[in-house]
Amino acid sequence: AQSVTQLDSQVPVFEEAPVELRCNYSSSVSVYLFWYVQYPNQGLQLLLKYLSGSTLVESINGFEAEFNKSQTSFHLRKPSVHISDTAEYFCAVVSYNTDKLIFGTGTRLQVFP
Amino acid sequence: DTAVSQTPKYLVTQMGNDKSIKCEQNLGHDTMYWYKQDSKKFLKIMFSYNNKELIINETVPNRFSPKSPDKAHLNLHINSLELGDSAVYFCASSQAPARSTDTQYFGPGTRLTVL
Repeated sequence: AQSVTQLDSQVPVFEEAPVELRCNYSSSVSVYLFWYVQYPNQGLQLLLKYLSGSTLVESINGFEAEFNKSQTSFHLRKPSVHISDTAEYFCAVVSYNTDKLIFGTGTRLQVFP
Repeated sequence: DTAVSQTPKYLVTQMGNDKSIKCEQNLGHDTMYWYKQDSKKFLKIMFSYNNKELIINETVPNRFSPKSPDKAHLNLHINSLELGDSAVYFCASSQAPARSTDTQYFGPGTRLTVL
C-alpha cells in the first residue's frame, strides 16, 4: 500500500521569501507523484506532476518539485512567494497497479506581507 | 463554463435524514470520483466510476450509495445521516482512471453539516 507524509501542517513565510513544502512517500512499487493546490473555499487544482524522465518538474506559476527516489521525496519549492500563493498544498501518489490517488494531510502555506 | 459542478454548495441537515449531492462534469471524461475531506483537511477517496461502472468502493458505510445515470453525472446519496458524516465532499473527474495519471479535475465541494 502507498502512503504520503507531509511533515509540516503549516508553513508561515513572508512575501518574496523562498519556501519548501516537504513530501515523503512510501510504496513497494513505482509511483507517480502530484502536487495539488486548494485555494480558500475552492476545489483542488493540479499544480504539477512527475511521471517519468527529468526528476525536476515545474509549474506555470514558478513552483518546482524534484523527485528523489533514494529519499522517497517530492518536495515542492518556490524561490519567491506571493500573497496569492496562500493556500493548502497536497502531495499525492498513485501507483501503476491501483486506481486510487492517495493524498497527504496537506500543508497550509500562509504568506504574510 | 464550470468544468465540474456540484449542488448544493452547502447542506445543513438533522441526524437521521437522507440527502443527496449531485455532480456533473462537462469535460467529456470517462471517470468520476467522490472524495471526503474531514475537518483536518484529510482527503480520502470514497468511490470511483469509469464509464458508469463502479471501480473503486472504499471502506465506506453502506449508507452511502453513489449513482451514475450517465458518464457526465455521479450523484451521492446518504441515508440516515450521522454527526460523523459532517465534512466537505468533493466530486472529481478525469479522462481515464487514476493509474493512467490523467489529471483529476475537482468540483468546488459540498460542505455537509449534520446537526
